[in-house]
Amino acid sequence: AQSVTQLGSHVSVSEGALVLLRCNYSSSVPPYLFWYVQYPNQGLQLLLKYTSAATLVKGINGFEAEFKKSETSFHLTKPSAHMSDAAEYFCAVSENRGSTLGRLYFGRGTQLTVWP
Amino acid sequence: DVKVTQSSRYLVKRTGEKVFLECVQDMDHENMFWYRQDPGLGLRLIYFSYDVKMKEKGDIPEGYSVSREKKERFSLILESASTNQTSMYLCASSFVAQRSTDTQYFGPGTRLTVL
Repeated sequence: AQSVTQLGSHVSVSEGALVLLRCNYSSSVPPYLFWYVQYPNQGLQLLLKYTSAATLVKGINGFEAEFKKSETSFHLTKPSAHMSDAAEYFCAVSENRGSTLGRLYFGRGTQLTVWP
Repeated sequence: DVKVTQSSRYLVKRTGEKVFLECVQDMDHENMFWYRQDPGLGLRLIYFSYDVKMKEKGDIPEGYSVSREKKERFSLILESASTNQTSMYLCASSFVAQRSTDTQYFGPGTRLTVL
């Protein structure tokens, strides 16, 4: 089975600072990777996804992530944090073989706090 | 615009009650999913369905069952609610059955408290 590890359950940055949220995956086949964001009292929404095209993926709200096969990583970054980025972020890997094709395995989440 | 709705935002039930959580999507999606979300544990898959009347167990199916009689509706059933089922429940859907690149679209969640 696939798995995802998010390093750091809480990350705090100042407004305007770089945001870096870490994600490492375990997969026996080339993975498809996703970042979702959850704002307070809402469901999850997709930020970006990697599906084996360009390794640098750009998403909504200025976020991007780079797929690095050698490091089995898919870290999420944003050059300059905004107060509105405060949310919980989830990395996920898709099952891409077998009878459960298409299901996602989620990491435990990283809560991002942005200080003024 | 994509829409996944869940029947209740907040629900309080008593131990031993049978509980129904309903999810409806209006996008003609084939896949539907039920997750529970607990602090520090992320999202864990309970059940999913890739077609009407079809279901697959996820990682934590014990104590739950599901029903999908129509393509747009996926119900999660707690046969006999217990306090350890107090949690946030999230429903999601995606377009094509068993396609691993599809985006999942989430409902707002139901926060269930079992007393």
